Amino acid sequence: KQEVTQIPAALSVPEGENLVLNCSFTDSAIYNLQWFRQDPGKGLTSLLLIQSSQREQTSGRLNASLDKSSGRSTLYIAASQPGDSATYLCAVRLMPSNTGKLIFGQGTTLQVKP
Amino acid sequence: ETGVTQTPRHLVMGMTNKKSLKCEQHLGHNAMYWYKQSAKKPLELMFVYSLEERVENNSVPSRFSPECPNSSHLFLHLHTLQPEDSALYLCASSQDLGTGGNQPQHFGDGTRLSIL
Repeated sequence: KQEVTQIPAALSVPEGENLVLNCSFTDSAIYNLQWFRQDPGKGLTSLLLIQSSQREQTSGRLNASLDKSSGRSTLYIAASQPGDSATYLCAVRLMPSNTGKLIFGQGTTLQVKP
Repeated sequence: ETGVTQTPRHLVMGMTNKKSLKCEQHLGHNAMYWYKQSAKKPLELMFVYSLEERVENNSVPSRFSPECPNSSHLFLHLHTLQPEDSALYLCASSQDLGTGGNQPQHFGDGTRLSIL
């Protein structure tokens, strides 16, 4: 059974710091891995999607890496800002992928202090 | 602006009530999903629809009944719920379920459900 774990559960950093969020999964037979952001009382916003054949994806100040063999992904946020404060969720899409089923971690709640 | 709209945003109901949650997507997607987000638990997939056909029921109790009348609309009918069903219910959509593409899922803002 696929399990997704995110460490740490919560993180507080001063503005301007570079930071890394971690995601691990138990079964390497994944189709892709997706990072989401969730603001309080809101739905999820997709940040980055990494296909199983890829090693990383970048969007602005965000960089996500994937090491399928070790069952790990990291989300790197450069020069953090107070507006980055949110809960960050990672999710893996299982193989076979014909149901689109995602397995989520519990998330890392990030607070960036001005 | 998410392209996926859920109504109502908040719902309080008694255990004997019947209510429905509504989801509408304006993205031209063919697949739609219901998720449950409880406090201190990971997001859980409930149902998946593709081209209006249910393709996944993730062992959800029968007091939750989904309906997908067309590819743009998804409902979740609720009946005789329990207090532990209080949660945020999220709807999502994606282009399709096929392996030919890696389309991300797009989420609505959810319905916060409280069972008295």
